[in-house]
Amino acid sequence: TQLLEQSPQFLSIQEGENLTVYCNSSSVFSSLQWYRQEPGEGPVLLVTVVTGGEVKKLKRLTFQFGDARKDSSLHITAAQPGDTGLYLCAGAGSNYQLIWGAGTKLIIKP
Amino acid sequence: NAGVTQTPKFQVLKTGQSMTLQCAQDMNHNSMYWYRQDPGMGLRLIYYSASEGTTDKGEVPNGYNVSRLNKREFSLRLESAAPSQTSVYFCASSEAAARAGYEQYFGPGTRLTVT
Repeated sequence: TQLLEQSPQFLSIQEGENLTVYCNSSSVFSSLQWYRQEPGEGPVLLVTVVTGGEVKKLKRLTFQFGDARKDSSLHITAAQPGDTGLYLCAGAGSNYQLIWGAGTKLIIKP
Repeated sequence: NAGVTQTPKFQVLKTGQSMTLQCAQDMNHNSMYWYRQDPGMGLRLIYYSASEGTTDKGEVPNGYNVSRLNKREFSLRLESAAPSQTSVYFCASSEAAARAGYEQYFGPGTRLTVT
């Protein structure tokens, strides 16, 4: 069974600080996606990483896929209150299924 | 272009009652999914439909049935609701297989409470 462990589960920091969220597995994934979910809404895709070692940047967010395609990280620089939300990683498992991490609830205090 | 729509948004059932959650997408996607989301457990796949006319079990299918009515619509039925089915249910759609890296688009969710 493929599993994705996400850490930390909860993070509360001050505006302007940096943070990193991790997504780890013992399984290899063909691709990995990061989603962000706001209260009362469904998840929305932030990025897809496909190649081992790949780094993608989305404004202040930096996503990295591990060389072995078993892990990924999300780094936020100078966090802002608008970054508050639930961050979910999801690895492409069998043909049509995504394997989901449990999520990191992020709160950025002004 | 509404994306993925779900009805109802909220529902309270008594144990043993049945109900159908409706989902529709207007993006001409081939694949559709039903998930449940519980605190601390992320998203768990209940059933999916890779293409019109096909359905397959996901991680937690017990107590649920699905129907892919046409390419646009994918419904989830609870035949005899149990308190363990209290959850937030999300429908999602994608152009094709997750393995190919296709994004999944989610509806706003149905918040179901079973008493």
